[in-house]
Amino acid sequence: DGGITQSPKYLFRKEGQNVTLSCEQNLNHDAMYWYRQDPGQGLRLIYYSQIVNDFQKGDIAEGYSVSREKKESFPLTVTSAQKNPTAFYLCATWTGHEQYFGPGTRLTVT
Amino acid sequence: DAKTTQPPSMDCAEGRAANLPCNHSTISGNEYVYWYRQIHSQGPQYIIHGLKNNETNEMASLIITEDRKSSTLILPHATLRDTAVYYCIVRVAHAHSGNTGKLIFGQGTTLQVKP
Repeated sequence: DGGITQSPKYLFRKEGQNVTLSCEQNLNHDAMYWYRQDPGQGLRLIYYSQIVNDFQKGDIAEGYSVSREKKESFPLTVTSAQKNPTAFYLCATWTGHEQYFGPGTRLTVT
Repeated sequence: DAKTTQPPSMDCAEGRAANLPCNHSTISGNEYVYWYRQIHSQGPQYIIHGLKNNETNEMASLIITEDRKSSTLILPHATLRDTAVYYCIVRVAHAHSGNTGKLIFGQGTTLQVKP
């Protein structure tokens, strides 16, 4: 079955450590997106990539980095520069009509 | 992309129709109305979208006013599993030149379906 895989579902890290969140898709979609969601809030765009080897900053890119070396993969690194990294992180692709979301990774940094 | 306004919360009795309103008075002629929903701790799920005609699919119906300044998402027979946050978003279709495809989410409407 085609879809988006985000692993792990829950991730715990100590403050000051970088952490990389995985996003893999087998939908053959070109465009991929990373969103962040805080409790009771809507989603905010971190980074997006419309094609391999190209990506752009979203609205809240500070403290994050991404790469897009393969069409199937769009990993997000949460760096120690991100002041409030604890959040629910969602990866998405574009189907041509709508965005298709993965199940999300809940990151807790203490 | 135009801004949308939705009520923060609504209740609906199980088996009844749920009608979720959305105001988008600044919508442009080439912007579509999209609806997504998010069940707690899951990724958002696409429901339906439309430009100016009413649309229906297996999940819901979308009614857009003639002036396109507002719309209503209708879940015809709400079930407990329809309890979720519903987001109304307006944006140009992805195929337009220069469009990044990104969505701008507000806080949505929390729909509580009650037995």
